[in-house]
Amino acid sequence: QVQLVESGGGVVQPGRSLRLSCAASGFIFSSHAMHWVRQAPGKGLEWVAVIWYDGGTQFYADSVNGRFTISRDNSKNTLYLQINSLRVEDTAVYWCARDRGADYWTAFDIWGQGTMVTVSS
Amino acid sequence: IVVTQSPLSLSVTPGEPASISCRSSQSLVHSNGHNYLDWYLQKPGKSPQLLIYLGSNRASGVPDRFSGSGSGTDFTLKISRVEAEDVGVYYCMQALQTPSFGPGTKVDIK
Repeated sequence: QVQLVESGGGVVQPGRSLRLSCAASGFIFSSHAMHWVRQAPGKGLEWVAVIWYDGGTQFYADSVNGRFTISRDNSKNTLYLQINSLRVEDTAVYWCARDRGADYWTAFDIWGQGTMVTVSS
Repeated sequence: IVVTQSPLSLSVTPGEPASISCRSSQSLVHSNGHNYLDWYLQKPGKSPQLLIYLGSNRASGVPDRFSGSGSGTDFTLKISRVEAEDVGVYYCMQALQTPSFGPGTKVDIK
């Protein structure tokens, strides 16, 4: 079935780096734009980043631009989020989500189960 | 684009209708004529799920008691008859520019 499975979360010290992964299955991964969305504890949803179907274009939320890098490996059906210079305020559940389209964005129709990132000394 | 929702919380009797409003700081009408506004439901302890896309299109598998309407800057999500499984937080999201979510509306059952 159509599925997204995130991994790579954990407890990390401020200033450190982390790479999240999202393994896709059950659909043609290379035909869809992909997103990362996060939710801090007790807070609302925050869109983080998007990457076009071919990996050629990325956009980021202002709050993460310059520290986060979204990438994908279509040969491995896997999406990544490299997070550098982690801050306490990056503590959140991180989801990967599939866009209905290949480029630009319309709606996130498939979501993973999420992976928790806790930034603490 | 700033997205606001009202109310922020809603308590509903099963079988009764419910309505959530979403407003954006600028028009969400794309040059292709579609309204780039989506609705999501996050059930307690779960990942968000897509309910409505492009303003009024129900996502696959979404019950027909859910409907989306509106255009420009004003949008509404309606549940014709609330069921117990509909509890959770409802978010609208604009997708005309880099996506941004509203603050969420928490729906519970009376």
